[in-house]
Amino acid sequence: DIQMTQSPPSLTASIGDRVTITCRAGQSISSYLHWYQQKPGKAPKLLIYAASTLQRGVPSRFSGSGSGTDFTLTITSLQPEDFASYYCQQSYSPPLTFGQGTKVEVK
Amino acid sequence: EVQLLESGGDLGQPGGSLRLSCAASGFTFSSFAMNWVRQAPGKGLEWVSSITSSGSIIFYAESVRGRFTISRDNSKSTLFLQMNSLRADDTAVYYCARGLGGNLGRNWFDPWGQGTLVTVSS
Repeated sequence: DIQMTQSPPSLTASIGDRVTITCRAGQSISSYLHWYQQKPGKAPKLLIYAASTLQRGVPSRFSGSGSGTDFTLTITSLQPEDFASYYCQQSYSPPLTFGQGTKVEVK
Repeated sequence: EVQLLESGGDLGQPGGSLRLSCAASGFTFSSFAMNWVRQAPGKGLEWVSSITSSGSIIFYAESVRGRFTISRDNSKSTLFLQMNSLRADDTAVYYCARGLGGNLGRNWFDPWGQGTLVTVSS
C-alpha cells in the first residue's frame, strides 16, 4: 500500500494568511494526487485533482503543486470559510489511500 | 444537479449484516465508476471499495475483503454495499462517491453523498 503522510496534522492561522499543507507519498505517484476539504459534519469536497488542476467552482486562492512524492496545497489568503480539515488522496494504484488530514483552525 | 443520497445506516450487531444504498441523480449513472469511502468517528478517510460503470471490475480494501460486497443497479441508478460479519471497527460514516479520472484504480472522488452512519455494537 502507498502511505500518504500529511504535515502538519493541524495548524492555526488568521484571516488573510497564506497557508501551506504538505503531502508526501511513500513512493512516486506521478501526479495522481488529489485534495479534499471537509467541514465538521459534512461530506468531503474535491478541491484539486491531478496535483494541480482546480475543480470547477473552487476559488482561485486554492492551488496545488508537486509530482513524484512531494505535493503541496496552498491557500493564498485564508478566508473564514476555509477553516476545515484537508485530505490528500493518491490514485496511482489501489488500494486508494488518504493522508491522515490537516486541520486548519483559527488563531 | 448531481446528487448522491445514501441510506441504510443503522445500529448493527457484531457478526450481523447491513445493506447500504446510494441513490444517484443528475448524471448518467451507468457511465461512471462508483466508490464507498468511510470515516470512523473523529478519524480520517478510508477507501472501502470501487466498482466500474458496468460492474465488471471491483476492488476492495483489505480490511473489508470477504465481508463486504459492492454492487450496482444501473437501471435504478443505485449503488449498494452489503456488509456482513460486522465488527466494531466497521463503525463509521459511509460515503458513496462518484469516481472520476479514467481507469478504476486511478479514480478521484466527486461528488460525495452526505453519508450514512453505521454503528456496530452489542
